[in-house]
Amino acid sequence: GAGVSQSPSNKVTEKGKDVELRCDPISGHTALYWYRQSLGQGLEFLIYFQGNSAPDKSGLPSDRFSAERTGGSVSTLTIQRTQQEDSAVYLCASSSAWGEQFFGPGTRLTVL
Amino acid sequence: GQQLNQSPQSMFIQEGEDVSMNCTSSSIFNTWLWYKQDPGEGPVLLIALYKAGELTSNGRLTAQFGITRKDSFLNISASIPSDVGIYFCAGQRLQGAQKLVFGQGTRLTINP
Repeated sequence: GAGVSQSPSNKVTEKGKDVELRCDPISGHTALYWYRQSLGQGLEFLIYFQGNSAPDKSGLPSDRFSAERTGGSVSTLTIQRTQQEDSAVYLCASSSAWGEQFFGPGTRLTVL
Repeated sequence: GQQLNQSPQSMFIQEGEDVSMNCTSSSIFNTWLWYKQDPGEGPVLLIALYKAGELTSNGRLTAQFGITRKDSFLNISASIPSDVGIYFCAGQRLQGAQKLVFGQGTRLTINP
């Protein structure tokens, strides 16, 4: 499709396990963003990639969170040793250098 | 993380009524955006504001960028059932590919 896609749509994991969330941005978009949305809350910025520049990691809540973007396209957000407070919807967005951010449908993560 | 102060948190209105919501911040933003989020989806951009004092319309939606650059409001006129959803304001400090800071959202419910 032409939009941002994310997988899986839902992920249930046990506390302490690692999880990987995937984002496929819109083709040609140079910027990619990860946000987290806790129940009933607004979106909280985590990390963004812009072209070949060093990513802005200022929103990552702990060193258990990391993300990479391979080949300037697909991105993976990894959460190690998941905790119950990590349960949230993780949203990915992409944009051109000066355009609006288009959001994917999100991955709902539940940590038991 | 930082969030904008958005109010009201929820609104219950009759179809056909007008709606108003607003966002404030203690710091300046150079771009203000308004998004709508439907269940299970990512936010979709409704209106973008780039200049202090700017008033912009998109159909039945009107938004203004406050003159102090610390606030914005969104009005919806003559509400219809498909307006139901969660509305978020978002601020961006610089134009271009930059992270967004979101409000907590306004949940709009419409009684037919």
